[in-house]
Amino acid sequence: DAKTTQPNSMESNEEEPVHLPCNHSTISGTDYIHWYRQLPSQGPEYVIHGLTSNVNNRMASLAIAEDRKSSTLILHRATLRDAAVYYCILRDVYTGNQFYFGTGTSLTVIP
Amino acid sequence: DTEVTQTPKHLVMGMTNKKSLKCEQHMGHRAMYWYKQKAKKPPELMFVYSYEKLSINESVPSRFSPECPNSSLLNLHLHALQPEDSALYLCASSQDGLAGLGEQYFGPGTRLTVT
Repeated sequence: DAKTTQPNSMESNEEEPVHLPCNHSTISGTDYIHWYRQLPSQGPEYVIHGLTSNVNNRMASLAIAEDRKSSTLILHRATLRDAAVYYCILRDVYTGNQFYFGTGTSLTVIP
Repeated sequence: DTEVTQTPKHLVMGMTNKKSLKCEQHMGHRAMYWYKQKAKKPPELMFVYSYEKLSINESVPSRFSPECPNSSLLNLHLHALQPEDSALYLCASSQDGLAGLGEQYFGPGTRLTVT
């Protein structure tokens, strides 16, 4: 399975934008890039996903490099409720149910 | 209703006990999952059920026995567990049966302690 690499931890000031990077140099053509986050004492929750083009939704934006070997999750204005572990995951369109989490980035939001 | 429920929230069991974890969803999802999460670690996939049939077993020891009685319900039967099996057990579901990219909805988990 293609692997992802993320920084272990990041800090952001409240109400500032946050850019969470993910490297996936062995990504294949059928891999979609998914992001999930896990708030303290909760199960993971879906954030966003994309294939090649940048994507926006109410929670975040996903910027995907042209060669698809890296991506960045963008939280436009961090709030204290965004403090969580953020996981970047590659999901093959044909075996998408085999869902493997990477080590994730623990985001601390400073008031 | 986009909720996955898990019971119990907490469970303490001895190594000779038999217990079960329960997971339920009423979103009409056709795939259900069990994950194990140790402290400060990412969730690890254990089992996947697609259309009520076991489709993936990630080489999980036989002391963990999954069951999918119907499309809304997923159980994990536990027997003769070891202290190192203590962890948060997460259930999830997704609309897609076999593959696809549907969003996975996770429950809050059952915190299991084996003494």
